[in-house]
Amino acid sequence: KAGVTQTPRYLIKTRGQQVTLSCSPISGHRSVSWYQQTPGQGLQFLFEYFSETQRNKGNFPGRFSGRQFSNSRSEMNVSTLELGDSALYLCASRPTSVTDTQYFGPGTRLTVL
Amino acid sequence: AQSVTQPDIHITVSEGASLELRCNYSYGATPYLFWYVQSPGQGLQLLLKYFSGDTLVQGIKGFEAEFKRSQSSFNLRKPSVHWSDAAEYFCAPGASGGYNKLIFGAGTRLAVHP
Repeated sequence: KAGVTQTPRYLIKTRGQQVTLSCSPISGHRSVSWYQQTPGQGLQFLFEYFSETQRNKGNFPGRFSGRQFSNSRSEMNVSTLELGDSALYLCASRPTSVTDTQYFGPGTRLTVL
Repeated sequence: AQSVTQPDIHITVSEGASLELRCNYSYGATPYLFWYVQSPGQGLQLLLKYFSGDTLVQGIKGFEAEFKRSQSSFNLRKPSVHWSDAAEYFCAPGASGGYNKLIFGAGTRLAVHP
């Protein structure tokens, strides 16, 4: 099976712009989660989608949003970008059960100038 | 609130030496626990996981971890480190009430001397 894929892998934006990142989960996986990784804050949970519904949300401002499509692919959007949004954004998928392992994609490296 | 601590930010070992990476968690109930590894510029790869049962868990690449409830610890071990093990290691308990939400430790960066 193909792993979790994320596009694009690298992105450069300027402050004030918005960005959309995409994640395709492993085939058959219905849950997708997003994490932000920065040198200062480490890995932080953004949100989780399951069957097109947001099931869990981390402590991030409303500028961060996401959605999931019927084929389980997910997108996250960041509006009005700030310098502090520069990070590696990781997507993870798992089948359904609470004991299932999350499998991570390679991430999208976002740089905000 | 749940929390996890990885006390060692950086560890350097010689190739062939044994390794132990520490992880302590604060939790209201028995958590489920994961160790992930991240190579530079890469995503996270699962090394091993503990949900229940045998407290000594075997993982990939020769790693193992032991869940000790009395010490609230889940330390990662490897008897003989290889140069390719140089990476960053993250301990992550699962959060209650939101099973897909992992709380990551700050990570331990491992350097391996030849």
